[in-house]
Amino acid sequence: AQTVTQSQPEMSVQEAETVTLSCTYDTSESNYYLFWYKQPPSRQMILVIRQEAYKQQNATENRFSVNFQKAAKSFSLKISDSQLGDTAMYFCAFMTPQGGSEKLVFGKGMKLTVNP
Amino acid sequence: GAVVSQHPSWVICKSGTSVKIECRSLDFQATTMFWYRQFPKQSLMLMATSNEGSKATYEQGVEKDKFLINHASLTLSTLTVTSAHPEDSSFYICSCPDRGTDTQYFGPGTRLTVL
Repeated sequence: AQTVTQSQPEMSVQEAETVTLSCTYDTSESNYYLFWYKQPPSRQMILVIRQEAYKQQNATENRFSVNFQKAAKSFSLKISDSQLGDTAMYFCAFMTPQGGSEKLVFGKGMKLTVNP
Repeated sequence: GAVVSQHPSWVICKSGTSVKIECRSLDFQATTMFWYRQFPKQSLMLMATSNEGSKATYEQGVEKDKFLINHASLTLSTLTVTSAHPEDSSFYICSCPDRGTDTQYFGPGTRLTVL
């Protein structure tokens, strides 16, 4: 069974600083996707970034980038120039495409607070 | 990204009554939708997979007779909490996978409070 581990339950950072959120996963699959979702106080789950396992290049989305280390099964999220609006729960998630039932496996989440 | 709506956003009901929550994919068709439950300060727990035109698939430990799922069209799935009790109070979230991008998009959630 696939598992996702987020070992840091909580972090805080000053506005404009850079912060890295860690995530490791365990799977025997070779084809899969990894995601970071953000859940602000509104509780709406928002996709931050996605990575296909077969792509060696790390995904980037504006201030958000990942460090995908497939051999180490590590998928960390780097947030540059942190903003107050980045304050949220962050969930790392794993998915194996199954042609009809793509279940997401979530980590426990990490609470990030950006301080002014 | 794709848009998923949920209705209602919050509901308060009396113990013993039933509550229906709707999940709609607004800009793509979804043959599959997922229902989650989330307790405060915890991660999402998958309850069931809603399949258009067929029975839902429930995760282990989830009572199918209590949490009725209907997926009558390619854009709508409903979750009915039957004979609700205070322990059913929680935050319920649905998600829809966009097959074009292999990415799931989430509804805004429904906060259920059972008195």
